[in-house]
Amino acid sequence: GAGVSQSPSNKVTEKGKDVELRCDPISGHTALYWYRQSLGQGLEFLIYFQGNSAPDKSGLPSDRFSAERTGGSVSTLTIQRTQQEDSAVYLCASNLEINTGELFFGEGSRLTVL
Amino acid sequence: SQQGEEDPQALSIQEGENATMNCSYKTSINNLQWYRQNSGRGLVHLILIRSNEREKHSGRLRVTLDTSKKSSSLLITASRAADTASYFCATGSYNQGGKLIFGQGTELSVKP
Repeated sequence: GAGVSQSPSNKVTEKGKDVELRCDPISGHTALYWYRQSLGQGLEFLIYFQGNSAPDKSGLPSDRFSAERTGGSVSTLTIQRTQQEDSAVYLCASNLEINTGELFFGEGSRLTVL
Repeated sequence: SQQGEEDPQALSIQEGENATMNCSYKTSINNLQWYRQNSGRGLVHLILIRSNEREKHSGRLRVTLDTSKKSSSLLITASRAADTASYFCATGSYNQGGKLIFGQGTELSVKP
């Protein structure tokens, strides 16, 4: 596709369940980023990938959060044993390489934990 | 803590007026970027200014950067109702690795 694609666009889950959020970056983009945005707030950095490796995982809130990227393309963000405070919009972005300027964002995955 | 802090948090103006948003940051940067977010959507890149630049223009947008004060401003001239959105600054620097750090945003409302 032409842009960054995220799925699902909306996810409602029960507390304690695991969720997987998917990001398909722009073809050829080696850098991929995950951010979290709570209602009415700014963006909180979670993790970024350069290729398949994640040089910076410092933003992951707890060990319930993990992310992987395979084939230098699609990335999956997994949240285990979801809590209500995990409710937010999870945004994915990509660019050609790190430190090369603008990020291209997907539309986000809105997660609601009941 | 967030690198960029925006001011004001919310701004309401009439169509045709200019809108100015400010961003302050704490550490040295390579570049500063501004993004726009319409309600319920992803972010869209507006403009990037490098640390060795002082001013940049793009259409109705004007961005300034003062590295001595660690601040930037975004000016939207002759605003339109369609400019209604949240605007975020984001800083990039080599000591942050590859990540951009975003501010809390300014919510702009342009009334017709």
